[in-house]
Amino acid sequence: DSGVTQTPKHLITATGQRVTLRCSPRSGDLSVYWYQQSLDQGLQFLIQYYNGEERAKGNILERFSAQQFPDLHSELNLSSLELGDSALYFCASSVGLIQDTQYFGPGTRLTVL
Amino acid sequence: GENVEQHPSTLSVQEGDSAVIKCTYSDSASNYFPWYKQELGKRPQLIIDIRSNVGEKKDQRIAVTLNKTAKHFSLHITETQPEDSAVYFCAAPSGGGADGLTFGKGTHLIIQP
Repeated sequence: DSGVTQTPKHLITATGQRVTLRCSPRSGDLSVYWYQQSLDQGLQFLIQYYNGEERAKGNILERFSAQQFPDLHSELNLSSLELGDSALYFCASSVGLIQDTQYFGPGTRLTVL
Repeated sequence: GENVEQHPSTLSVQEGDSAVIKCTYSDSASNYFPWYKQELGKRPQLIIDIRSNVGEKKDQRIAVTLNKTAKHFSLHITETQPEDSAVYFCAAPSGGGADGLTFGKGTHLIIQP
């Protein structure tokens, strides 16, 4: 157990819908990262937040957005869902902003039908 | 941004033999290189990492070497055991002053009994 928690574990929804994934970082960690893992794209970095502020963007679609709240938990919002958004979404956390070990949560498996 | 290439995509070795996985990266400013192990349907787990002020790091049966001049780093697993069977990912910072990771495509390591 890494200490990073994610809910829900599984999510099944339809095309065009909107979902919210939730992540709680390890106690004391200020950075939260979101990653998407799919068979064709591999493990891709989406976005990083540090102490409530967005710090880096990766391959995140405009239909996706995230935020980090004052208690440091984070939410990833996915809207206008498409079949290709079906994937495992991981959250990771680390203590600092750069070069710190990232600990991954158990992931949320999203299926878009 | 950073580009990470990983080889081979599949590696089959006899139990007790050694396994070597190699990665190259493109951004000469990168200076943190973690390796993750992922079992089917589970979260990526950090197994070892190396920073650019060292050339080699060992942890029991696992070692990582780094060649900054050639921009490549390798994972070495000795005395392989059945529980080493998994997908292994190398990674490097995506750049831009923050810390999302760019991952290689992964190596499926199969330990033959």
